[in-house]
Amino acid sequence: DIQLTQSPSSLSASVGDRVTITCRASQGISNYLAWYQQKPGKVPELLIYLVSTLQSGVPSRFSGSGSGTDFTLTISSLQPEDVATYYCHKYNSDPWTFGQGTKVEIK
Amino acid sequence: EVQLVESGGGLVQPGGSLRLSCVASGFTVSNNFVSWVRQAPGQGLEWVSIIYSGGSTYYADSVKGRFTISRDNSKNTVHLQLSNLRAEDTAMYYCAVKMTVAAPFDYWGQGTLVAVSS
Repeated sequence: DIQLTQSPSSLSASVGDRVTITCRASQGISNYLAWYQQKPGKVPELLIYLVSTLQSGVPSRFSGSGSGTDFTLTISSLQPEDVATYYCHKYNSDPWTFGQGTKVEIK
Repeated sequence: EVQLVESGGGLVQPGGSLRLSCVASGFTVSNNFVSWVRQAPGQGLEWVSIIYSGGSTYYADSVKGRFTISRDNSKNTVHLQLSNLRAEDTAMYYCAVKMTVAAPFDYWGQGTLVAVSS
């Protein structure tokens, strides 16, 4: 089965910083790669799907890119409300898989 | 408005069983992909099972042979039968639906907590 490995596992950055999270698949996957944001005590929310398509209502400071085995979530200017854990997710084929998560904190 | 309401969680002994329910409103479960995703305390998200609109079902290796997903179209509800429960099955169980062809789960319920302990 395909595994998704995120890096880093956690990061601390200042408000306004550019933040990049990487998701690496153990073998090539299609473009059915999404990113979720989960704030403490809350349900996960869909940020990006099809690698780079922003879900309706998601701020434009979030973006996604990549192909094959390497995918990236970028926050162009980190805001206090972005404190959360971010998960990449492979979907539309069995098994549906999540990465282990990246916790983002404010320095 | 799309809503998912889970129920059925609770404290159960190892080896025991539970049936979780996900009551849907605002859409028809038989026309969409509905999944269960769990999250152990302080841990990440783990996909558990999914039922496709056509009725096909799939499971994570960690639950295959122990969990069964099904749906009751007359009640617009998806169930997850949990059997032979283990301590490592302790988690919040979320129901989620995929409403858009190109997107994954875009609506989630609030979850129901399953605790497996003697």
